[in-house]
Amino acid sequence: EAGVAQSPRYKIIEKRQSVAFWCNPISGHATLYWYQQILGQGPKLLIQFQNNGVVDDSQLPKDRFSAERLKGVDSTLKIQPAKLEDSAVYLCASTPRETQYFGPGTRLLVL
Amino acid sequence: GNSVTQMEGPVTLSEEAFLTINCTYTATGYPSLFWYVQYPGEGLQLLLKATKADDKGSNKGFEATYRKETTSFHLEKGSVQVSDSAVYFCALSARAAGNKLTFGGGTRVLVKP
Repeated sequence: EAGVAQSPRYKIIEKRQSVAFWCNPISGHATLYWYQQILGQGPKLLIQFQNNGVVDDSQLPKDRFSAERLKGVDSTLKIQPAKLEDSAVYLCASTPRETQYFGPGTRLLVL
Repeated sequence: GNSVTQMEGPVTLSEEAFLTINCTYTATGYPSLFWYVQYPGEGLQLLLKATKADDKGSNKGFEATYRKETTSFHLEKGSVQVSDSAVYFCALSARAAGNKLTFGGGTRVLVKP
């Protein structure tokens, strides 16, 4: 069974630029999560989707972050404009029920 | 709200030593508890889990028991190997919170030959 796919794996941008990350969850997994993991810390939830609807986006900085999950499968997370403090690993996870399976993450460096 | 506290690292051990990583949690209701491992350059992998009090999760020689009375889920391994060098994260999920994971800060473990 294929795992959660994410791209790109690495991205370097300058502050105030925009960036987008893509996630393809495990086939059949209805629930998808995006987490932000700052260096030296545990991941923190940004947004949770159930199929193509948002369940929880209370921790998403909506002035600069946006996410969508069209057709209830793939998802994209966008940052516009990026700030220095957005440098982190962005993790996508999916689950059919409770146990979450994580992708390899996208490492973002904002200069 | 829900929270997870785990011991800070790094923890440096010799091969075949005994490993314990402490984890305590605060949650309403009856959360499920998890240990995830992150090897260098890789994503998070589920190591083990327990879904109710007194359950013991185990995998790859690692064990952790869900202790509701002490709100703890300590990770143990009797004899570590160099390949166990990684960052270990304790986490909980609660159905009332949409099953989102709340993570501890992670504990880096370095096993020396």
